[in-house]
Amino acid sequence: DAGITQSPRHKVTETGTPVTLRCHQTENHRYMYWYRQDPGHGLRLIHYSYGVKDTDKGEVSDGYSVSRSKTEDFLLTLESATSSQTSVYFCATAGEVYEQYFGPGTRLTVT
Amino acid sequence: QKEVEQNSGPLSVPEGAIASLNCTYSDRGSQSFFWYRQYSGKSPELIMFIYSNGDKEDGRFTAQLNKASQYVSLLIRDSQPSDSATYLCAMGTSAGNNRKLIWGLGTSLAVNP
Repeated sequence: DAGITQSPRHKVTETGTPVTLRCHQTENHRYMYWYRQDPGHGLRLIHYSYGVKDTDKGEVSDGYSVSRSKTEDFLLTLESATSSQTSVYFCATAGEVYEQYFGPGTRLTVT
Repeated sequence: QKEVEQNSGPLSVPEGAIASLNCTYSDRGSQSFFWYRQYSGKSPELIMFIYSNGDKEDGRFTAQLNKASQYVSLLIRDSQPSDSATYLCAMGTSAGNNRKLIWGLGTSLAVNP
């Protein structure tokens, strides 16, 4: 399995505060992805990256931004957290093939 | 709109039986298909991928792809209680730098001792 870590693993925050989630990989994979997973909705792509400083929006990108300044790190920022952003967030990576490997996830609660 | 559809289940099978999970997809041009297993509270884990028509076997798992009918299936032989999980089907898609997986909502499998 790819060496993928996510931090923090759990976070509780208040509405309106900024939150940054970090994904770190040791596999030198080119592609990195941020998903959220909610009951009844499955995995939904928020943003993805196809290289350092190269990112693009997924299907549910509103309220989220990302940055990738190094191959190994992909940051997801909620500029002003809302209760609708309470979810489990997964980071995934892929090399030059389609197979994605997932980090352990971050459980975010916005109160 | 590219889509992947799965029966949400739950699919319930007795221990030792064959579990059959099915997935249909909308994009005739897609060449790659994946099965992930997700235990409750855990992240998805890749268990099989298939690129060619026909069957691909790995231990107790067999993936089947039929591009003409646009379906992919996963068979689990000699099902064990530890196979109880949600199984996610995914389809690869790309356009330029846009390389993504399109996900189904998953099928819940319960293997009863």
